[in-house]
Amino acid sequence: SQKIEQNSEALNIQEGKTATLTCNYTNYSPAYLQWYRQDPGRGPVFLLLIRENEKEKRKERLKVTFDTTLKQSLFHITASQPADSATYLCALAPDSGYSTLTFGKGTMLLVSP
Amino acid sequence: GAGVSQSPSNKVTEKGKDVELRCDPISGHTALYWYRQRLGQGLEFLIYFQGNSAPDKSGLPSDRFSAERTGESVSTLTIQRTQQEDSAVYLCASSPRRGGTEAFFGQGTRLTVV
Repeated sequence: SQKIEQNSEALNIQEGKTATLTCNYTNYSPAYLQWYRQDPGRGPVFLLLIRENEKEKRKERLKVTFDTTLKQSLFHITASQPADSATYLCALAPDSGYSTLTFGKGTMLLVSP
Repeated sequence: GAGVSQSPSNKVTEKGKDVELRCDPISGHTALYWYRQRLGQGLEFLIYFQGNSAPDKSGLPSDRFSAERTGESVSTLTIQRTQQEDSAVYLCASSPRRGGTEAFFGQGTRLTVV
């Protein structure tokens, strides 16, 4: 069966360090992989999209990698800040005529001052 | 409107009653998604609309759940004969076109079945 796996344990890091979150998937051939941020009581907010033919994407302090051989994406936040504390979700969309967007369960990031 | 709007923001209903949840997507967005998020859990896909048709409704948990979309705009998610396990936040998202482009989420409807 298709699975999207993100570490269910919260990631605790100190301010200024780089946070690295992992998204692994099985039985998917995604055309796109996306990362979202969700704060408590709010809907997810889009951060970055990376296509299957892209290895890496950057946006300000964020970097995403996509390895279709390993079936894995890594999400990095450099120079992390307490305001980066949130749950981060990865989402996959297949390459088909329509695009159901399926989410992983998310990983909570806690950045301590 | 400026973003995806969902109403009501909170709904408390008695077990066995029917409820309707509404989603107003961003104007011009052809794709619309409904998700369910139980407390402390991830997003559970329910249904996807492209225009007014639903090419993927595989996530609807039972025949008590149905959804429609009219005018390539407003969507309504209906839950009949609500059960306590239906208690969750129901999130709607819209996207400019198909093909895995970014989704814009509403603030959700928190449904509590008592």
